[in-house]
Amino acid sequence: EVQLVESGGGLVQPGGSLRLSCAASGFTFSGYAMHWVRQAPGKGLEYVSVISSNGGSTYYANSVKGRFTISRDNSKNTLYLQMGSLRAEDTAVYYCARALLVWTSEFDYWGQGTLVTVSS
Amino acid sequence: QSVLTQPPSASGTPGQRVTISCSGSSSNIGSNTVNWYQQLPGTAPKLLIYSNNQRPSGVPDRFSGSKSGTSASLAISGLQSEDEADYYCAAWDDSLNGHVVFGGGTKLTVL
Repeated sequence: EVQLVESGGGLVQPGGSLRLSCAASGFTFSGYAMHWVRQAPGKGLEYVSVISSNGGSTYYANSVKGRFTISRDNSKNTLYLQMGSLRAEDTAVYYCARALLVWTSEFDYWGQGTLVTVSS
Repeated sequence: QSVLTQPPSASGTPGQRVTISCSGSSSNIGSNTVNWYQQLPGTAPKLLIYSNNQRPSGVPDRFSGSKSGTSASLAISGLQSEDEADYYCAAWDDSLNGHVVFGGGTKLTVL
């Protein structure tokens, strides 16, 4: 059974940092691109970032470019999102999602999400 | 303001057929496939329709998708109470360096 389990969310002050993790199981993690999508409270979905299956290619939404870093450890079947210079508008549930490709909007499995709250 | 445009709400009674539209442009829907997601209250999104009109295993055939030009639609026939959810369209956008764009979401209410 495919499972994606996010962790690392919590309350952080503006300007602070946080690292999210997404533990994958039930599939060959190294064969898939992995994406982060977020959803602010009561709002719609917003694309954040993607990393290719071997980690060689990454992309960031303009809203997080230069502040967030996506990475993965295929030996640990884990995806990461290092978040820095956090702002109130980064408050959201962060989902990791699996896809066969980097250049796709077809996410066939999603994690349950982890809530990040940026507030003083 | 989302790149893909969806109506914020839709409604229907049990058994009815409802459609949800998704409007984009030549750089997204016009040149790439559309995917639809269903988000039940308090849960993560779930892939409902992929590649414009394909259903993943386990999705009832009451759900169907279509695409024409720079627009797409999701149709739900035989509406059921458990279909009450938020629905999002998504597509790859070729502009800039390429990225995923979502619709703003449509909240479907079963009356």
